[in-house]
Amino acid sequence: DAKTTQPTSMDCAEGRAANLPCNHSTISGNEYVYWYRQIHSQGPQYIIHGLKNNETNEMASLIITEDRKSSTLILPHATLRDTAVYYCIVRGYEYGNKLVFGAGTILRVKS
Amino acid sequence: EAGVTQFPSHSVIEKGQTVTLRCDPISGHDNLYWYRRVMGKEIKFLLHFVKESKQDESGMPNNRFLAERTGGTYSTLKVQPAELEDSGVYFCASSPRLAGGPTDTQYFGPGTRLTVL
Repeated sequence: DAKTTQPTSMDCAEGRAANLPCNHSTISGNEYVYWYRQIHSQGPQYIIHGLKNNETNEMASLIITEDRKSSTLILPHATLRDTAVYYCIVRGYEYGNKLVFGAGTILRVKS
Repeated sequence: EAGVTQFPSHSVIEKGQTVTLRCDPISGHDNLYWYRRVMGKEIKFLLHFVKESKQDESGMPNNRFLAERTGGTYSTLKVQPAELEDSGVYFCASSPRLAGGPTDTQYFGPGTRLTVL
């Protein structure tokens, strides 16, 4: 089972920031938080990952709380093409190398 | 750099037939994974190759599924004989680090949609 909890769905206005929350209250000290997304009919796309520090790349920012029990993925200026299912995944040695997907959050970006 | 490619993109077969799915990982990636999503369910891990060796087969549903990775390059996933419940989307992913681990990012292909009638 996935070790994360995410809202089922969210809406966001085009051009605004999309903030997607994820709870991972049982995360261990050596486990990473990964985010993937799946745009309709495509394969999962890697977005970003982090351990305890905040991370930023060209796609998004990842904010991890100090206690590491939750995180937020931020898409700074959402576009219609960001409409997708977003998966927050905890990765550690417990699962070997496999990714354990949950149901994710359906993000709808609306004009 | 080319990404992970999968062939075919779609396959429609009759129950009892055989289907072979192919995955070409990103060049140089030692790790290759198969996942699938069946209707209404979450994406599930099937198996993991390190080069040509099977590292983890814990997600393979039954012995009708056979995966191979010849010479540590491309991989095939054969379903024989196919059943109705095998319908779904089969994804392949690859990652570069031989040692794997939680920082070894996996990159996915577009998937093969399999429909068993």
